[in-house]
Formats: sequence, C-alpha cells, structure tokens
Amino acid sequence: QKEVEQDPGPLSVPEGAIVSLNCTYSNSAFQYFMWYRQYSRKGPELLMYTYSSGNKEDGRFTAQVDKSSKYISLFIRDSQPSDSATYLCAMKSGGGADGLTFGKGTHLIIQP
Amino acid sequence: DAEITQSPRHKITETGRQVTLACHQTWNHNNMFWYRQDLGHGLRLIHYSYGVQDTNKGEVSDGYSVSRSNTEDLPLTLESAASSQTSVYFCASSVSAGGGTDTQYFGPGTRLTVL
Repeated sequence: QKEVEQDPGPLSVPEGAIVSLNCTYSNSAFQYFMWYRQYSRKGPELLMYTYSSGNKEDGRFTAQVDKSSKYISLFIRDSQPSDSATYLCAMKSGGGADGLTFGKGTHLIIQP
Repeated sequence: DAEITQSPRHKITETGRQVTLACHQTWNHNNMFWYRQDLGHGLRLIHYSYGVQDTNKGEVSDGYSVSRSNTEDLPLTLESAASSQTSVYFCASSVSAGGGTDTQYFGPGTRLTVL
C-alpha cells in the first residue's frame, strides 16, 4: 500500500459546481499537508499549505485535514474552466526542508 | 524576477549513455530537490540538497547522482541511462523559513526519453 492514495480520475464537473478532491494516507507522522495544481506540461504550483488538523480557506479554495482519519480534502467553489488541471496532494512529517510525498494526482475537468 | 529553470526541456538519449539535466534557481534558496513524475506513480523524490556540498538520497535514487558546488545549481546525472529512466524530471527549491512552512517552487520540467 502506497503511503498516499489519491484517485487519478478523471473527474468531470460542470462549471460553477463545487469540487471535492481527496487523499488518504497511512503514515501518522505526516503533519504538513499541501495541495499543488499542475497544468499540462507545466511544473506543479502550490495552492494550499496546512499544518496538522483543521481547515484553511483562500478565496474559492478550502483545504481540510482530518488527522484522526488520515484524510485530507480540497474544495473548490464556483469552479471555472481555468481550474481544469491535475491536483496533487503532498505531505511531509518534519518541520525542516524535507522532500515531499505526493499522491498520484487527480485530473479535473470543468465543463463550460 | 527570480525563477527556477531547467535545461534541456526535452532530451532523447540511448541506453547506456551518461546524461546530465541542469537546474538553476535565482532565489538564493538553500534547499533543492529532484523529482521524477511517471504515470501511475506521481512525483517521487530522487535526491535533495540542503546547501553547498550537501546531498541526500531520496526514495528512487538508484542510477542517479547529484552534486552541489554552488547555491544556484543542482545538476542531476544519470550515469548509464536505462529505459526505465524515461520520465519527466522536475527540479524544486525552497528556503527554510522555520515551522515547516518552507514552500517548494518547481521548475518547468525536463522530458527525458531513453531509447
């Protein structure tokens, strides 16, 4: 079993819908959780960064972490065609500059 | 503007050849990382460095090496390229801000094909 599980999709939703993206993990030492967005043939870019459990909101994006269930989510409100991309969850255990453990990524398609 | 660049963007090579992928960042970040991205596996860490003369192995380091002679560059070398090393390679950098809040910034990637 991989340390981080993420459904690769594709996930196709109509414009304006609320999108829910999720990852589960097995390593209870993970404390720092990130969501990256990756457009086709581009490098990943950081969307959200959270520490431990709880919610964090930034504009149309909300990240949730439930450490007791080892489950993290990213919600996108009022989805736009420009949100079409691959979304990667990533996590690490230490507070230092550790390499990240990534999920496989979910390919999201927002239909106009 | 500060940035992170990778070269070449595309490379085709033959099995057994030595290949070096370049990564250059102008943010003066002390931490640099190399990942590979493959369908079905996502991004996996190859090597990383916390500063000049420091290098560390990641999850999939076999067949790869790095050296850090200055802050700006972390070249990745495939000593004897194998078809299993066909992949997209991403370089990233970060600065240690304390409290685990270092953000990794990724380059545009190098698409390597080994025939």
